[in-house]
Amino acid sequence: DAGITQSPRHKVTETGTPVTLRCHQTENHRYMYWYRQDPGHGLRLIHYSYGVKDTDKGEVSDGYSVSRSKTEDFLLTLESATSSQTSVYFCAIGRNRQRQETQYFGPGTRLLVL
Amino acid sequence: GQQVMQIPQYQHVQEGEDFTTYCNSSTTLSNIQWYKQRPGGHPVFLIQLVKSGEVKKQKRLTFQFGEAKKNSSLHITATQTTDVGTYFCAGLSSQGAQKLVFGQGTRLTINP
Repeated sequence: DAGITQSPRHKVTETGTPVTLRCHQTENHRYMYWYRQDPGHGLRLIHYSYGVKDTDKGEVSDGYSVSRSKTEDFLLTLESATSSQTSVYFCAIGRNRQRQETQYFGPGTRLLVL
Repeated sequence: GQQVMQIPQYQHVQEGEDFTTYCNSSTTLSNIQWYKQRPGGHPVFLIQLVKSGEVKKQKRLTFQFGEAKKNSSLHITATQTTDVGTYFCAGLSSQGAQKLVFGQGTRLTINP
């Protein structure tokens, strides 16, 4: 695959606790993305990054923050987890193909907030 | 904002039958991409279409991009059990922020 790992792969937490998910890439790509996947909603963009310390909001950013202090790592933080944030979280990197960007996804993190 | 609608949401077929999923965007797209996600897996890039009216084939899969660059389709001929999964289209708008917007996906199940 594209050298993308996510950790943890599974997590159970309680409402109100902070949670940080990590995405790590080995290919030095500039663009990185965090999505959540829920039944009936497909993939929805949470935040994305276009370089170290350069991030922007996506479609469903409320309740989430991100940081990118190194090219290879993109962190997603739920400051105070809620049950509505139970989901599968995918990280993706952007690669140029025919001068258009396509995305390559990590294996995902399943998060359950009780 | 840009919306990408995909139908049907679910499709169950007998092995050997054909399958088609359709994707419609509220705005003109610079490209359309298709991804496949196997059960329990992650989305995997299949193909991208860039030109108006473009048609591309990958073995039994045929991808089309509409003339107005607002719709697309994926057709699978003679489905096999390996085709099981969810198929997503994703559109890159030709205007404004360059972010992919994914359709809701079509989940394909197959009776062997």
